Amino acid sequence: KQEVTQIPAALSVPEGENLVLNCSFTDSAIYNLQWFRQDPGKGLTSLLLIQSSQREQTSGRLNASLDKSSGRSTLYIAASQPGDSATYLCAVKGGSNYKLTFGKGTLLTVNP
Amino acid sequence: EAGVTQSPTHLIKTRGQQATLRCSPISGHTSVYWYQQALGLGLQFLLWYDEGEERNRGNFPPRFSGRQFPNYSSELNVNALELEDSALYLCASSLTSLSIYEQYFGPGTRLTVT
Repeated sequence: KQEVTQIPAALSVPEGENLVLNCSFTDSAIYNLQWFRQDPGKGLTSLLLIQSSQREQTSGRLNASLDKSSGRSTLYIAASQPGDSATYLCAVKGGSNYKLTFGKGTLLTVNP
Repeated sequence: EAGVTQSPTHLIKTRGQQATLRCSPISGHTSVYWYQQALGLGLQFLLWYDEGEERNRGNFPPRFSGRQFPNYSSELNVNALELEDSALYLCASSLTSLSIYEQYFGPGTRLTVT
C-alpha cells in the first residue's frame, strides 16, 4: 500500500527566503507525481506534474525534482512571497486505478 | 476553457439523510475521480469513473455511490449520512484513463452533517 509523507508539517519563513518542501513515498512504482497548492477551504491547484521518466520540472519560481528510486521529491520555492502562503500537497499516481495518493501536506506561512 | 465545476458549494444535511453532489469535468475529459478530505484524515480516494462506468472505489462503505452520465458529468451520492461524513468532497477530471495524464480538481463541495 502506497504511503506518502510530507516533511515538515508546517513551515514559517520571512518573505524573500528560498525554501524546500519534502515528499517521500514508499512504493517507487509510480506513473507520475504532482504538487498541488490548497488555500484554506478551497480546491486544489496543480503546480507541477513530473512523469516517472523525468527528473524535474520548473514553473516560474517553482522547481520540483523526483528521485523515483529513492522515493523522494522536493519542491523548491525561490524568493518566497506572502501570496505563497498555503498548504502544499504532494500526490503520486500509481496502481491499476490510477488514483492519486496524497500526503498530509505542508502548511507554509510566508511572513511579510 | 472552463475548469472542473462542482455543485453545490455548500450542503448541510442531518444524520440519516441523503446527499447528492455533482461534478462537471473539463470539456473533452472522460475520467472523473472523487476524493474526500475530512479534517485530520487528508485526501482519500473515493471513486473513479471512466467512459460511463465505475472503474474502482476506495475503502469506503457502499453508502457512497455514484454514476457518470453520457456527457461525462458525475454524481456522488451519500446515503444514510453520518456525522463523520462531514468533509470537503473534491472532484477531479483527466483527459482519459491513461496513466500519464494530469488530474485537474474542482473547487469542492463542503458537506456538513448535523
